[in-house]
Amino acid sequence: EIVMTQSPLSLPVTPGESASISCRSSQSLLHSNGYNYLTWYLQKPGQSPQLLIYSGSNRASGVPDRFSGSGSGTDFALNITRVEAEDVGVYYCMQGLQTPLTFGQGTKVEIK
Amino acid sequence: QVQLQQWGAGLLKPSETLSLTCAVYGGSFNGYYWTWVRQPPGKGLEWIGESNYRGSTNYNPSLKSRVSISVDTSKNQFSLKMNSVTAADTGVYYCASSGTTVELDSWGQGTLVTVSS
Repeated sequence: EIVMTQSPLSLPVTPGESASISCRSSQSLLHSNGYNYLTWYLQKPGQSPQLLIYSGSNRASGVPDRFSGSGSGTDFALNITRVEAEDVGVYYCMQGLQTPLTFGQGTKVEIK
Repeated sequence: QVQLQQWGAGLLKPSETLSLTCAVYGGSFNGYYWTWVRQPPGKGLEWIGESNYRGSTNYNPSLKSRVSISVDTSKNQFSLKMNSVTAADTGVYYCASSGTTVELDSWGQGTLVTVSS
């Protein structure tokens, strides 16, 4: 199975500043159709996960443009500019290229 | 984007069968893979498996021998059954819809399942 590795696992941030989370996969997630099968989710405290980014860099409907995804192949990143208090929670990357679908360990973002 | 509502028994004894159902509202039932994900207390997310509307399934090899996912197209519902549960199966179980590029774009509210004697 494809192993997903996130870093850091904990990320204290100051409101208004930027934050970046890295996600690496043990195999390339670039499909022959040209899409990277990499998604990002945010799980706010006490809530279900919500989709932020799909295909590595496409924002899901309703997601603020403060969130952006980048990368291809095995190396990806989620960037948050101008962090707000409502952005706290655990961020997960997930690969959808092959079953079993696998998630990173999660990165807990908290406000300093 | 569809909306998902799930339900099922929350307290089980070891060796019993976990049974959860997820209803799909809005959108096309035929257009997605229907997925189950679980989360042990204080831990990360684990993919359990998926089914399309025709009943074609994929399962996590770590759970495959105990898990079954089925669909009822007449009711726009899909279900999860997991037999021989143990305390290690305790956690929150989520249903989700999987889109064209395998993005889990809608999630149910989650069901806490506790396995205890």
